[in-house]
Parts: sequence; structure tokens; C-alpha cells
Amino acid sequence: AQSVTQLGSHVSVSEGALVLLRCNYSSSVPPYLFWYVQYPNQGLQLLLKYTSAATLVKGINGFEAEFKKSETSFHLTKPSAHMSDAAEYFCAVSDIGNNDMRFGAGTRLTVKP
Amino acid sequence: DADVTQTPRNRITKTGKRIMLECSQTKGHDRMYWYRQDPGLGLRLIYYSFDVKDINKGEISDGYSVSRQAQAKFSLSLESAIPNQTALYFCATSDTMGREQYFGPGTRLTVT
Repeated sequence: AQSVTQLGSHVSVSEGALVLLRCNYSSSVPPYLFWYVQYPNQGLQLLLKYTSAATLVKGINGFEAEFKKSETSFHLTKPSAHMSDAAEYFCAVSDIGNNDMRFGAGTRLTVKP
Repeated sequence: DADVTQTPRNRITKTGKRIMLECSQTKGHDRMYWYRQDPGLGLRLIYYSFDVKDINKGEISDGYSVSRQAQAKFSLSLESAIPNQTALYFCATSDTMGREQYFGPGTRLTVT
């Protein structure tokens, strides 16, 4: 079964600094990959997804992620952090039919003024 | 109005009580899911349903049951609640292609 590992349960950056949230997956077949964001007291919102098209995926709020098959990675980046980016971020992997989406443990992003 | 709604949003119950969490969606999706979220563990799939007559166990179904009353409604039941079922519960939906899931706002359940 596929699985996801998010490196770092907490990441802290200064406002304006680069955001890098790491995600590695294991899957025996080409997966679908997702990043979701969860703001306090809210559900999960899709940031971006990779579904076997372009390897560099652009999402909402200036985030992007690159699918690297050789590294089995799907790291999330944003060039310049904003205070409003403070939230918890989840990487997820699923098979083609998406009947079994597996989530990482989450990374809480703190943005310092 | 929200596409995926969950009721109640918060619930405190006692050990041994039966409790039902409800989910409704207006997206017209066939697929619906129930997850629980625990700190440090991410989200784990409890049950999923591809249509009204198709219900499947997920990663952690023990102690839970579900009912798909209609395409738009999917309920999660705890027959006899226990304290380690204290968690945040999310309902989600996806279309037949299943390329993206849409989440409800969550239900915070506390079992004392």
C-alpha cells in the first residue's frame, strides 16, 4: 500500500522567506499526489495536485510542488512566506481510483513577523 | 452555502453511548468518505462509499459503522463510544474519477 512521510512536524520561517515543506511517498504504481492545507478550526482545502501531467504543479496562494520520481518526492514550496500561510499542511497519495488516499502526519507552518 | 456539511460540529458524550455523525453534500458526487484526524497521525480513512449500495472498510473501521442513506448523505456511527475515539472527524466527497476530495468542516468528538 502507498504511504507518505512528511519530514518535520513543525517548520518555522520568517515572513518573506522561502517555504519548503518536504514530502516523500512510497507507491508501487504511479500515484496521484496532493497537498492540502488546514487552517485552524476548518476542514482541509486542496492546494495543488499531481495527476500524471506536468511534473511542476502550481497551486493556489503562490504554492507549487515538483514531482520527482527518482527521489519519490513531492515537496511543497513558496518563494515568499506570508503571515496568512500559517496553517497545517498535509501531503497525500492515492492510487488512480483514489479509493484509498493516505495522508502524511502533517507539518505545522509558523510564520514569524 | 457549504458544499459539504457536517453535524454536529462539536459533541461531548460519555463512554458506552451510541452517537451518530452526519454528513451531507450538494456537489452531486457519488463517492463519500469518513476520516478521523489525530495529532501527529494525520487523517486515517474509516469507511468509504462509491455509491448508495457500495460501502467499504477503510484503514481503521473497528468500532465504527456507516450508513449511506442517499447519494447526498453518509452517516458515521459509534455504537458504544470509548475515550480513544476522541478525535476530529471529517467527511469528504469526490466524483467518479476520484482525483480530488472535498472536505467538510469537521466534527470534534470528545468521549469522556
